[in-house]
Amino acid sequence: DVQLLESGGGLAQPGGSLTLSCAASGFSFDTSAMHWVRQAPGKGLEWVSAISGGGDRANYADSVKGRFTISRDNFKSTLYLQLNSLRAEDTAVYYCAKAMVIDAFDVWGQGTMVTVSS
Amino acid sequence: EIVLTQSPATLSLSPGERATLSCRASQSVTRYLAWYQQTPGQAPRLLIYDAYVRATGIPARFSGSGSGTDFTLTISSLEPEDFATYYCQQRSNWPRTFGQGTKVEVK
Repeated sequence: DVQLLESGGGLAQPGGSLTLSCAASGFSFDTSAMHWVRQAPGKGLEWVSAISGGGDRANYADSVKGRFTISRDNFKSTLYLQLNSLRAEDTAVYYCAKAMVIDAFDVWGQGTMVTVSS
Repeated sequence: EIVLTQSPATLSLSPGERATLSCRASQSVTRYLAWYQQTPGQAPRLLIYDAYVRATGIPARFSGSGSGTDFTLTISSLEPEDFATYYCQQRSNWPRTFGQGTKVEVK
């Protein structure tokens, strides 16, 4: 089965840090671009970041640029998102998603909740 | 950044009725538009990509059309499981962006 499993969410203080992980299985991870998408409580979907299959190219939403870092370990089939300088508005469910060749997201994880609050 | 505007925000319909959802882009995305369905507490599910191509396992009652800046998702006859929120998403430019969603609710 194709599967993505996120972990690492939790409560963080404003200005704090968290690292999210997304363990992949059932597909060729090292040839798949991967994305992070978030959803604030009661709100819509917001694209956050993407990384190429080889890990050499990354893109970010303006709202997280300079604070979040996407990375991957193809040997472990795991995607990461390092969240620094967290703000209250970063509170959301964070989903990892696999991109098809044409960059539509055909596989999603179940999400991990990040809450930023003092 | 390409802004995607979906309309209406909410669509109130009965099972068996036809649903027509709109997504308008602030600049051309050619045909690089996808549609997703999300039910409460669940991750989104890919329905349509490249404007009109149904994803694997998606029923034929879902269809997409459009190009450039104007796109439509049509559900020909609503089934009970189709009452959900629908999002469009563009892959034409970075950053990737989503529309704000259309909620299809039971009338």
